Amino acid sequence: QKEVEQNSGPLSVPEGAIASLNCTYSDRGSQSFFWYRQYSGKSPELIMSIYSNGDKEDGRFTAQLNKASQYVSLLIRDSQPSDSATYLCAVIYNQGGKLIFGQGTELSVKP
Amino acid sequence: DTEVTQTPKHLVMGMTNKKSLKCEQHMGHRAMYWYKQKAKKPPELMFVYSYEKLSINESVPSRFSPECPNSSLLNLHLHALQPEDSALYLCASSPGTSEQETQYFGPGTRLLVL
Repeated sequence: QKEVEQNSGPLSVPEGAIASLNCTYSDRGSQSFFWYRQYSGKSPELIMSIYSNGDKEDGRFTAQLNKASQYVSLLIRDSQPSDSATYLCAVIYNQGGKLIFGQGTELSVKP
Repeated sequence: DTEVTQTPKHLVMGMTNKKSLKCEQHMGHRAMYWYKQKAKKPPELMFVYSYEKLSINESVPSRFSPECPNSSLLNLHLHALQPEDSALYLCASSPGTSEQETQYFGPGTRLLVL
């Protein structure tokens, strides 16, 4: 059973702080990792994709991947109330496009 | 342009009705997907179409019938649904189905089965 695990939260951070979201996955063969943001009542929106060990930065977002530890994280710097949403970690297992999601972490950024 | 469109936005249907959900993309993507998402849960894959052929069916009940008329369109035909099928139905597309292909989601159709 392929699994993706996230803390469900809610994670509450003050405005301007760094929010740290974590995800672990069960299959060492996984190669592709994605973070989606989902506002309440809306569809998932891609934030970041990462395929290689290390850090990948895009604006206020940094994704970190450690394949040895089977761990992927998302850091949000200078968190804003508009970042309040559920963040979904997703992993593609092998080819075929089968995307497996974690349960999602609910983030709340307080003004 | 990474837009996937879905119609209708909302749908209410009885258990004896037949209805269809539609999804369209004009990004030249060759893979399209249907997901089902219940409240407070992550999306769950239902079907994958690759180059207009069904490549993955996640053991979905036959009351859900997918169709891919061409590379830009994806339908989901609904018949004799149950109240527990009420959910947000999401369509997604990607350039292909290799490992590094990012999936882009449409806005979804919120379905209520009475």
